[in-house]
Amino acid sequence: EVQLVQSGAEVKKPGESLKISCKGSGYSFTSYWIGWVRQMPGKGLEWMGIIYPGDSDTRYSPSFQGQVTISADKSISTAYLQWSSLKASDTAMYYCARLRGSGSYYNPVGFQHWGQGTLVTVSS
Amino acid sequence: QSALTQPASVSGSPGQSITISCTGTSSDVGGYNYVSWYQQHPGKAPKLMIYDVSNRPSGVSNRFSGSKSGNTASLTISGLQAEDEADYYCSSYTSSSTLEVFGGGTKLTVL
Repeated sequence: EVQLVQSGAEVKKPGESLKISCKGSGYSFTSYWIGWVRQMPGKGLEWMGIIYPGDSDTRYSPSFQGQVTISADKSISTAYLQWSSLKASDTAMYYCARLRGSGSYYNPVGFQHWGQGTLVTVSS
Repeated sequence: QSALTQPASVSGSPGQSITISCTGTSSDVGGYNYVSWYQQHPGKAPKLMIYDVSNRPSGVSNRFSGSKSGNTASLTISGLQAEDEADYYCSSYTSSSTLEVFGGGTKLTVL
């Protein structure tokens, strides 16, 4: 069974750094793109970026380029989303999700498997 | 403002059919057959319902169907059930540097 298990909720202060994780299991972690999706309170889904763990090829939405860093450690089947300096506006639920199809060529065939979400709260 | 436009809300009675639209441009919806639809219940992660415009993943009810005409994609739910009440999001590949964009979401109410 494919599973994506995300790290727990975080409460941080503005200016602090943070790295949240997404551990994949039940499939070949290096063969599928994993993306990150933001959902601000009461709002819709936003595509942040995506990584291919096999070779760490990473793409970002321009809205998030330079604001976050997406990475992966294939030795422990885990993808990461990190911030160097959080803002109150980063308060949101963050989901990782795996593309339906495999392969290093980016083929946007939908996110079929999702993590449970990590709630990040940034408040002074 | 979302790149893809969806109605904020739709409603229908049990047993009826409803359609949710998702309007983009020739750079996204109209240019590629890479439209997906997601269902999200409150407090839950989204669930993929349709991919590649009209394909259903294994396990998704055949009451859900997708189509596209020009720059507008549509999700149709037939035989509405109470459990279908949720938020629905479309997404599409885009030739812009964004790569993929979501619609603003549609809240479906089953009356």
